[in-house]
Amino acid sequence: EAEVAQSPRYKITEKSQAVAFWCDPISGHATLYWYRQILGQGPELLVQFQDESVVDDSQLPKDRFSAERLKGVDSTLKIQPAELGDSAMYLCASSFPDRGIYTQYFGPGTRLTVL
Amino acid sequence: AQTVTQSQPEMSVQEAETVTLSCTYDTSESDYYLFWYKQPPSRQMILVIRQEAYKQQNATENRFSVNFQKAAKSFSLKISDSQLGDAAMYFCAPQRSYGKLTFGQGTILTVHP
Repeated sequence: EAEVAQSPRYKITEKSQAVAFWCDPISGHATLYWYRQILGQGPELLVQFQDESVVDDSQLPKDRFSAERLKGVDSTLKIQPAELGDSAMYLCASSFPDRGIYTQYFGPGTRLTVL
Repeated sequence: AQTVTQSQPEMSVQEAETVTLSCTYDTSESDYYLFWYKQPPSRQMILVIRQEAYKQQNATENRFSVNFQKAAKSFSLKISDSQLGDAAMYFCAPQRSYGKLTFGQGTILTVHP
């Protein structure tokens, strides 16, 4: 069964350093989402792509976060510089219209710890 | 904007018994979808069940079923014949078309043997 791949699974960094996360969606899924999940809370959308175009980045802290999906397939989320408050789980999801429903399928996530 | 309220931070159930998790939401959209996801301690988010808001018939998926009350904006999840593997954090989430999921705060479900 096809799955969303993410790497790394765990990342420890010091504040002010740069970090990058990678996501490979399920083949054929044109829509890709990055969510941030703080421990004990529900995930919140950071950015959504339709193919290579950004559809929604209203909650992305653009002074330090950037995201790209250059060829409309895999995607990279970057934080520079990292801050203590960025410690969280970063989840990637992808979707495709199945009988009109864009069900999102999630990857295993990247757990970021900023020291 | 959509908001979601899961009023039960924690629930527990005996193995083989039935439990219901509640969810209410607020949306100005007329066309939307509703999902329940589970997140076990391994933390991978897994789809449990989905419902189209325009459908009156409640969705079912094996031991999982929903009670969808559109006018009341209520979308509860019933788990029958609970199993140890059902232990997880459960999230209710509405979604507009291909837009973002809006997650609630979640309900931690514990299953006792």
